Amino acid sequence: DGGITQSPKYLFRKEGQNVTLSCEQNLNHDAMYWYRQDPGQGLRLIYYSQIVNDFQKGDIAEGYSVSREKKESFPLTVTSAQKNPTAFYLCASNGHRTDTQYFGPGTRLTVL
Amino acid sequence: KQEVTQIPAALSVPEGENLVLNCSFTDSAIYNLQWFRQDPGKGLTSLLLIQSSQREQTSGRLNASLDKSSGRSTLYIAASQPGDSATYLCAVPYGGSQGNLIFGKGTKLSVKP
Repeated sequence: DGGITQSPKYLFRKEGQNVTLSCEQNLNHDAMYWYRQDPGQGLRLIYYSQIVNDFQKGDIAEGYSVSREKKESFPLTVTSAQKNPTAFYLCASNGHRTDTQYFGPGTRLTVL
Repeated sequence: KQEVTQIPAALSVPEGENLVLNCSFTDSAIYNLQWFRQDPGKGLTSLLLIQSSQREQTSGRLNASLDKSSGRSTLYIAASQPGDSATYLCAVPYGGSQGNLIFGKGTKLSVKP
């Protein structure tokens, strides 16, 4: 059963903490993406990776970091430098830029 | 810079009605357009992808059209059902060699029984 998994579903962060959101896909896709969704706004791109060991910043990369050591995995770290991290985070992937993009179920991050 | 707009932001219709959701984009140099559905608190589900060479795509009661020259796409839902209630998002690729998408803010659809 192919797809994208994200964990955890809910995450709570204290001020000054770094937290890591997991994204795993078994679709054999080369490209993976992280988006952030805020109420009343469209999805905004944080980082993307088109191949293992390579990634690029999106429109709102400040305060975030990623790694792409394996094709299947693209974890996102929300650092303490991100001043307003409370949001819904969505991971996506596709095999080629012209292909359908598939999304995971999302992680809701709340800062306490 | 590419911008994607969806109007209306919210729509409420009685069950059984046919309806049209609108999506417009400012840069017509796109190679495809995708329509997604999002249920509250969930991820996005791809509904239809239209390549730039296509005018229409159909899946069940859904039909999406694309007019690149005018920068518009429509999603037609036939015989709406309460289960169609969700937020519908359209998205176009960023451009160049990148595959990341630029999204509209969505249309929140409510179908009343």
